[in-house]
Amino acid sequence: KAGVTQTPRYLIKTRGQQVTLSCSPISGHRSVSWYQQTPGQGLQFLFEYFSETQRNKGNFPGRFSGRQFSNSRSEMNVSTLELGDSALYLCASSFTGGEQPQHFGDGTRLSIL
Amino acid sequence: SQQGEEDPQALSIQEGENATMNCSYKTSINNLQWYRQNSGRGLVHLILIRSNEREKHSGRLRVTLDTSKKSSSLLITASRAADTASYFCATDAEGGSARQLTFGSGTQLTVLP
Repeated sequence: KAGVTQTPRYLIKTRGQQVTLSCSPISGHRSVSWYQQTPGQGLQFLFEYFSETQRNKGNFPGRFSGRQFSNSRSEMNVSTLELGDSALYLCASSFTGGEQPQHFGDGTRLSIL
Repeated sequence: SQQGEEDPQALSIQEGENATMNCSYKTSINNLQWYRQNSGRGLVHLILIRSNEREKHSGRLRVTLDTSKKSSSLLITASRAADTASYFCATDAEGGSARQLTFGSGTQLTVLP
């Protein structure tokens, strides 16, 4: 069974640009969550999607947005990139959320120049 | 923001020794989970302990939970070089079905051959 797939693995952008990251969850998983990991702030929750609806949102500015498609694949978008957005962005999936282990992808490493 | 702290921040031991990591958190929880992260990779779920449980075992892992002290510990017995990784505790807040894990700051474990 294929794991969670995130594309691309690495991305370099400049300030002011926008970026879209993609996540394909494990087959059958309908809950997809996104996390940002930085050396300074650690792992922080961005948002969770279930059945194409955002169910929960972390404390991030509106420049960070996401969506989920009918096949459970998810994308997150960051607009007007800032240097501080440099991070490893991790996607995790589970069947329905709740009390289930989350399965993480290997992340997208985003570097802002 | 992070839920709590893990200690120690870094731990270096010899192969065969036991490793103990501690985690403290701040709010009431449904459950607490431990994850492992190898360098440059995503997180791997290790074990989940519910708020009404005090101890749980899985292979060489033993987790304890003290809700009165809002703390948990992870014990890895008979450590191996392959256990070298960062270990994170994550709490699932009380109430709701949405998934929002709050992670600790992590312990970097190095197991020397």
